[in-house]
Amino acid sequence: SQQGEEDPQALSIQEGENATMNCSYKTSINNLQWYRQNSGRGLVHLILIRSNEREKHSGRLRVTLDTSKKSSSLLITASRAADTASYFCATVGRNAGNMLTFGGGTRLMVKP
Amino acid sequence: EAGVTQFPSHSVIEKGQTVTLRCDPISGHDNLYWYRRVMGKEIKFLLHFVKESKQDESGMPNNRFLAERTGGTYSTLKVQPAELEDSGVYFCASSQERSRQGAYTGELFFGEGSRLTVL
Repeated sequence: SQQGEEDPQALSIQEGENATMNCSYKTSINNLQWYRQNSGRGLVHLILIRSNEREKHSGRLRVTLDTSKKSSSLLITASRAADTASYFCATVGRNAGNMLTFGGGTRLMVKP
Repeated sequence: EAGVTQFPSHSVIEKGQTVTLRCDPISGHDNLYWYRRVMGKEIKFLLHFVKESKQDESGMPNNRFLAERTGGTYSTLKVQPAELEDSGVYFCASSQERSRQGAYTGELFFGEGSRLTVL
């Protein structure tokens, strides 16, 4: 069964707006990571948040983690057309080495 | 520094044929992973090499799939014989779990994937 489930599956916003994507997972984790995939390209690592962290920032990205609810959110502020891509959360389980378990992804479209 | 490279970028074969996908990880990365995304489904783990050893191959779907990493450098994933349900994008990723300072990094570096179409 899927470890990470993302919500929404698709999101369309105007340039300049904020985009929020949510991820839920099922088992205990070591860390949670967010990746981006532009159409036809590989996955690019955006940010990693450890299980003992609650919030992390990187540029226009803000990630939160709530281990009690087994959920995470990715906020992209002041979105740009270039942010159009699919975004995936992926978890590393406590006894899973460095194996990532991916969610289904959110397709984000930012309209200029 | 070169990233993870995969070859071929796209392969179209007929059911029953054999295909071999290749992945060249980032130089010096001991960890190499294969993932695949079947159309409309999530990205799923296939296996993990640490150098030339298979650390975890729990995600390999069946014995038609064979992965190797001789010498601990590049890796190949062979599908023989290919079936229709094998169609999808096969991603390779590499990582060096810890930085030179010993800090845990956790980041995987992905290639652009090999798209396999089985007709």
